[in-house]
Amino acid sequence: DAGVIQSPRHEVTEMGQEVTLRCKPISGHNSLFWYRQTMMRGLELLIYFNNNVPIDDSGMPEDRFSAKMPNASFSTLKIQPSEPRDSAVYFCASGLTGGYTGELFFGEGSRLTVL
Amino acid sequence: GNSVTQMEGPVTLSEEAFLTINCTYTATGYPSLFWYVQYPGEGLQLLLKATKADDKGSNKGFEATYRKETTSFHLEKGSVQVSDSAVYFCALSDPNSNSGYALNFGKGTSLLVTP
Repeated sequence: DAGVIQSPRHEVTEMGQEVTLRCKPISGHNSLFWYRQTMMRGLELLIYFNNNVPIDDSGMPEDRFSAKMPNASFSTLKIQPSEPRDSAVYFCASGLTGGYTGELFFGEGSRLTVL
Repeated sequence: GNSVTQMEGPVTLSEEAFLTINCTYTATGYPSLFWYVQYPGEGLQLLLKATKADDKGSNKGFEATYRKETTSFHLEKGSVQVSDSAVYFCALSDPNSNSGYALNFGKGTSLLVTP
């Protein structure tokens, strides 16, 4: 079975540019999470969706960040405009909340570098 | 709110040494506890979990026991291998809290095992 698929794996962009990160969760999973990983702050939850509905976006840093989940098989995280401090690895994870086990399945991450 | 604290790394051990990585948590409810492992360049993978007090999670020779009285979930392995070199994350989730099904991670502990 395919795991969580993220794209792009690596992105290098210049300050001020728009960045879009994409995620395809595991088929059948009903929850999706976006995390950001940096050396300084570790793993931070940005937003999570349950049944395609955003449940908690309190971790989204500011208005430059937005996330969507138009259907059960696709989500995007957009940064506009990007800044150097946004450089990080962004992980998408999915899980199944019915019959809760708590386990989340992570993609390989998108490494973003903003120059 | 809920939080996880784990020992700072890096931890360097010789092959076949005993490993302990300490993890303590703060939670208002009755969380599930997890250890995830991240190998270089990869996403996080579930290593083991425990869903209630006194449960022991185990996998690949690693063990951790959910201790409610000390709010701890320390990771142990009797004899580490070079292939165990990775970053280990302690995490909790509490669906009845404001953060719902999201995992709340510690900062991670880097382990290096030398031959």
